[in-house]
Amino acid sequence: GEDVEQSLFLSVREGDSSVINCTYTDSSSTYLYWYKQEPGAGLQLLTYIFSNMDMKQDQRLTVLLNKKDKHLSLRIADTQTGDSAIYFCAECDSGGYQKVTFGTGTKLQVIP
Amino acid sequence: DVKVTQSSRYLVKRTGEKVFLECVQDMDHENMFWYRQDPGLGLRLIYFSYDVKMKEKGDIPEGYSVSREKKERFSLILESASTNQTSMYLCASSARVAETQYFGPGTRLLVL
Repeated sequence: GEDVEQSLFLSVREGDSSVINCTYTDSSSTYLYWYKQEPGAGLQLLTYIFSNMDMKQDQRLTVLLNKKDKHLSLRIADTQTGDSAIYFCAECDSGGYQKVTFGTGTKLQVIP
Repeated sequence: DVKVTQSSRYLVKRTGEKVFLECVQDMDHENMFWYRQDPGLGLRLIYFSYDVKMKEKGDIPEGYSVSREKKERFSLILESASTNQTSMYLCASSARVAETQYFGPGTRLLVL
């Protein structure tokens, strides 16, 4: 099956930028997503990018996609303590069921 | 407002018991999913359903079955619970497979 890899932890100081990285193996991905999971809750979609785009910006969030290297990143500007959560990268394949594969999740810790 | 609810937040069962996890969505979504979430492994798809009475195996269906008798309800069944099924179980739904998945809050299951 397809693989989506992320580092497990990231620690940043409040006010700094956070960059969460993700690599995937499926060369036919159509959509790539970033989900956020706060403690004790399910996942919520943060943003997504079509595979024919290089970049998407949404307020403090910037998504960069390098399709050649199969690398996706999420940059959070001016990181706040409320951004502390687990962030999941996910990709959707182009097969019949358009299956979505989630990464292992990156736990972001924001230090005040 | 979009809503996916799961019948229990926490559940403790004994080895060999039959366990039912219920999920209900109020968005008239076609697709529903069951995942388990384990530290370091991210989300792994157990089963999904793209229509009433339809089901497809995900990546780790062994030891589980599902039921979708009504569009809004998707049940996960552990026929004979085992300790390695101790996990967080997340239900999700989406209008179309590649679109945003909306997650429930999760059920943390402990099998003793």
